Amino acid sequence: QQQVKQSPQSLIVQKGGISIINCAYENTAFDYFPWYQQFPGKGPALLIAIRPDVSEKKEGRFTISFNKSAKQFSLHIMDSQPGDSATYFCAASNPNQFYFGTGTSLTVIP
Amino acid sequence: GAGVSQSPSNKVTEKGKDVELRCDPISGHTALYWYRQSLGQGLEFLIYFQGNSAPDKSGLPSDRFSAERTGGSVSTLTIQRTQQEDSAVYLCASSLVTGISNQPQHFGDGTRLSIL
Repeated sequence: QQQVKQSPQSLIVQKGGISIINCAYENTAFDYFPWYQQFPGKGPALLIAIRPDVSEKKEGRFTISFNKSAKQFSLHIMDSQPGDSATYFCAASNPNQFYFGTGTSLTVIP
Repeated sequence: GAGVSQSPSNKVTEKGKDVELRCDPISGHTALYWYRQSLGQGLEFLIYFQGNSAPDKSGLPSDRFSAERTGGSVSTLTIQRTQQEDSAVYLCASSLVTGISNQPQHFGDGTRLSIL
């Protein structure tokens, strides 16, 4: 059973637009929800993370929205830039388990 | 450096050979993870080490795969009798586990393994 479901698989956005990637989880014991960004030839790098006691976290152009009751969270990239083109992974964890989504390939067109 | 270091960065070998992949985690990180990432695919969990506890080997795809972590630091992933389907990028990550709250995983840049 896939613990974290991520969509869409791929996304194309115009420069300046908003990119939105969604994730859903099943296990209510998860208490940490990070997003990772991966460029070709590199390992994933932590982008932003949230804990379930808040509904939103913003860092620059990147925002996580968290809906605890729906067991869903999403990444919003405002004013998307070509340099944001990468693969994005959501994840969900507790101290004993760590699960990644299947990834979203984002392409931002100049 | 201060990050997770993996070696070699690239490895090409013939089918049937054994390979060893090395991971140096961030100093002080007690948790270490191995993942496999096929071209354009997600992260496939392989094995997890936490402190002195027995490793979680639930993700290892076959008995040709094994891993060890010596002295709670450096880890080696060994693939015996390699097959072409083993071709992938093998990623290592480490994290500081407090047991109370989670900390992010920090990844190396991986070893790109190609089996001819």
